[in-house]
Amino acid sequence: KQEVTQIPAALSVPEGENLVLNCSFTDSAIYNLQWFRQDPGKGLTSLLLIQSSQREQTSGRLNASLDKSSGRSTLYIAASQPGDSATYLCAVARDDYKLSFGAGTTVTVRA
Amino acid sequence: GAVVSQHPSWVICKSGTSVKIECRSLDFQATTMFWYRQFPKQSLMLMATSNEGSKATYEQGVEKDKFLINHASLTLSTLTVTSAHPEDSSFYICSASVLEQYFGPGTRLTVT
Repeated sequence: KQEVTQIPAALSVPEGENLVLNCSFTDSAIYNLQWFRQDPGKGLTSLLLIQSSQREQTSGRLNASLDKSSGRSTLYIAASQPGDSATYLCAVARDDYKLSFGAGTTVTVRA
Repeated sequence: GAVVSQHPSWVICKSGTSVKIECRSLDFQATTMFWYRQFPKQSLMLMATSNEGSKATYEQGVEKDKFLINHASLTLSTLTVTSAHPEDSSFYICSASVLEQYFGPGTRLTVT
């Protein structure tokens, strides 16, 4: 059974600092890995999707890396803003598209 | 594109009643939809996989008679929580799959 772990569980930084969020998974036989953002009481917003054959994906201030062999992914958010405050979820997909989620990292960016 | 809606966004019901939650893919067809539940400050747990025209596949530990899933068309799946109890209070989220999963905004169920 795939286990997904996210560290740290919570993170508080001053505005402008770079954020580093970590995700690890136990089974390297994945189809893809996704990073999501979830605001309190809301659904999920997909941020980045990395296919198993890729090493990284970038979108604006966001960059996600994937090291499948070691079972790790890292989400980097550059020059954080208060609007980046949210919970960030990592999820890995099997080839049947079923997702296993981590518990999330709750980020607070202080103005 | 790839918008998924859920209705209702929140619902309060009395213990013992049934509640139906709808999940629709608005601008695409999805042969597969997934249903998740999320408890406060916890992650999403997959409940079941819904395939159009066939019976849903439930994850281990999920009561199929309590959580009835119907996937009547390529754009609509419904989750009915039967004989709801306070412990069923949770945030229910659906997703529709076309190579990747697109998530709905969630439904907050409170059972009193």
